[in-house]
Amino acid sequence: GAGVSQSPSNKVTEKGKDVELRCDPISGHTALYWYRQSLGQGLEFLIYFQGNSAPDKSGLPSDRFSAERTGGSVSTLTIQRTQQEDSAVYLCASSLLAGEHYNEQFFGPGTRLTVL
Amino acid sequence: AQSVSQHNHHVILSEAASLELGCNYSYGGTVNLFWYVQYPGQHLQLLLKYFSGDPLVKGIKGFEAEFIKSKFSFNLRKPSVQWSDTAEYFCAVIRSSASKIIFGSGTRLSIRP
Repeated sequence: GAGVSQSPSNKVTEKGKDVELRCDPISGHTALYWYRQSLGQGLEFLIYFQGNSAPDKSGLPSDRFSAERTGGSVSTLTIQRTQQEDSAVYLCASSLLAGEHYNEQFFGPGTRLTVL
Repeated sequence: AQSVSQHNHHVILSEAASLELGCNYSYGGTVNLFWYVQYPGQHLQLLLKYFSGDPLVKGIKGFEAEFIKSKFSFNLRKPSVQWSDTAEYFCAVIRSSASKIIFGSGTRLSIRP
């Protein structure tokens, strides 16, 4: 597709349920990032994938959060046993490369998660 | 730990006023610097970036930013704002050898028509 897409655009769930958020990066982009955007908190880095390298999971807030990237393309962020403080907009971004030859990140529209 | 500070949480200006949004970072090594903008209902998009060379960087829509290494700052400026500049602005920093970009908490800019 022309840009980064994310689904669903909105997700309302009950506390304790598991949720899966999907990200389709721009075709050919090797780097993929997940962020969480909370009101007044800016953008919080969650996890980063680069090609076949082990992902950088240093931003995941707890072991309830996990992510995978299948075939170097689509990524799924899973939140288990959701809590109300997980409510936020989850953003995905992709870029051609990363690190020293840093490239611009292209962001998706985000998934707004509401935990009741 | 590396951090990015945007001290202005909400800025309100009239059209044609000049704008300066502050951004300070804590890392002392070589950095790459960015400003992203999020217009209402739209995706985050890159406004401008600094990697090396001229510390005064020109971006889209008349925005510019100046990298002052001695002050660890990368302030965003525009000489005359328009109503369409109403958006949230995020400063971001990445160490040249790192993969993780650090974002500031954002500044909401409201322009009175």
